This record gives sequence, C-alpha cells and structure tokens, in this order.
Amino acid sequence: AQKVTQAQTEISVVEKEDVTLDCVYETRDTTYYLFWYKQPPSGELVFLIRRNSFDEQNEISGRYSWNFQKSTSSFNFTITASQVVDSAVYFCALSNPGYSTLTFGKGTMLLVSP
Amino acid sequence: GAGVSQSPRYKVAKRGQDVALRCDPISGHVSLFWYQQALGQGPEFLTYFQNEAQLDKSGLPSDRFFAERPEGSVSTLKIQRTQQEDSAVYLCASSLAVGAGEPYEQYFGPGTRLTVT
Repeated sequence: AQKVTQAQTEISVVEKEDVTLDCVYETRDTTYYLFWYKQPPSGELVFLIRRNSFDEQNEISGRYSWNFQKSTSSFNFTITASQVVDSAVYFCALSNPGYSTLTFGKGTMLLVSP
Repeated sequence: GAGVSQSPRYKVAKRGQDVALRCDPISGHVSLFWYQQALGQGPEFLTYFQNEAQLDKSGLPSDRFFAERPEGSVSTLKIQRTQQEDSAVYLCASSLAVGAGEPYEQYFGPGTRLTVT
C-alpha cells in the first residue's frame, strides 16, 4: 500500500522567511512518481511539480525548490522569501505509472503574514 | 482555455436525498478522476474513467455511490440516500491521456462542497 505523510499540519511564517514543507512517502514499487499541489482558499488544486523515482536531482523553479532523497523516502518543498500569496494548503502526492491515481498526504497549511 | 468545471459549487442535501454532481473535463482529456476531500484532509481517490470506461471504482465508499461518463466527456457522480458522513468536497480531475510511463498532470476543478444535514 502507498502512504504519504506530511507531519506538519500548519506552519506560520512572516513574509520573506524561507520555509520547508516536509513529505515522507511509503511505497513498495520501484517506479513511482511524486507530486506537489497547492490548494489556495478558492479550493482548486494547482499542480506544482512532478518527479519520478529515477531522478533524484533537486529542482529549482523561481522561489520554489524541491529536494528528493530516496534514501530517506522524502520529497521536501522549500519556498524561499515567502510571500503572502503563498498562503495555501500544500499537498504532497504519490502515484504509480499507468493511470496514475494519486495518493495524497493530509496537507500542510502555510500561513504567511505581512 | 477553459479548465475543469464542476457544478453545483455548493449543495446542501437533507439526509436520505439523492444528489448528482457534474464534472466537465478539459476538452480532449481522456482520463477523468473523482476524489473526495473531507475537511482538513487530503483528497482520496474514488473512481477513474478512461473515455467512457470506468476502469477503477475501488475507492467508492459504498454502493450508494455511482459514477458515469456515458459519452467519454462529462461525468456525473451520484450519491443515493445521502448520509452525514458523505459531507465533503468532491473534486474532479482530468488529464490528457494515460500510458505505461510517466503519468500526465491532472488538472483539478474547483470542487463541489456537499453538506448533508
């Protein structure tokens, strides 16, 4: 069975602080895919990144960066110089190849105050 | 372009009523997924369609839940004899295709918030 754990329920930071959201996953599959989604108050899940299990390179996209470590089964997400607009619930998710049903974690609510 | 749309956005039902939730996927998207998101939780998979074929319904919590996509486009999730534990946000997602390799990105709709009183 697959499982995604986001141990941080809620994080509060002040604007311009850096913040890291943790994600730990469990799977018996050798090939799998990891995702991060953002859910703003409007409710619509917004895709941020997809990473496959064979690619452990870290990725940076603007203020966002992701650290994938297979050895610790973790796929952490860092926002540099956070902004108020980053306030949302962030979900980490896991899927297999194929029709790609997503298994989500419980999410981390990020509150960025001015 | 138009994203995934869902209607109604909000639905209040009395316990025992039947409800129907609609999803309009992005045009041309082959795959369609339904998820249930309880308050404070992550979305949980309900069912999956590839075109009009329902290939996986393992996440449907009971036989009161039924989904269809008769023409391979619009999908409807129906819940019969609603109960309070059915209260949740129901999310629909579509993706371009499926294959044996890397999964395509799923695009989510805004969801339907169902409250059963």
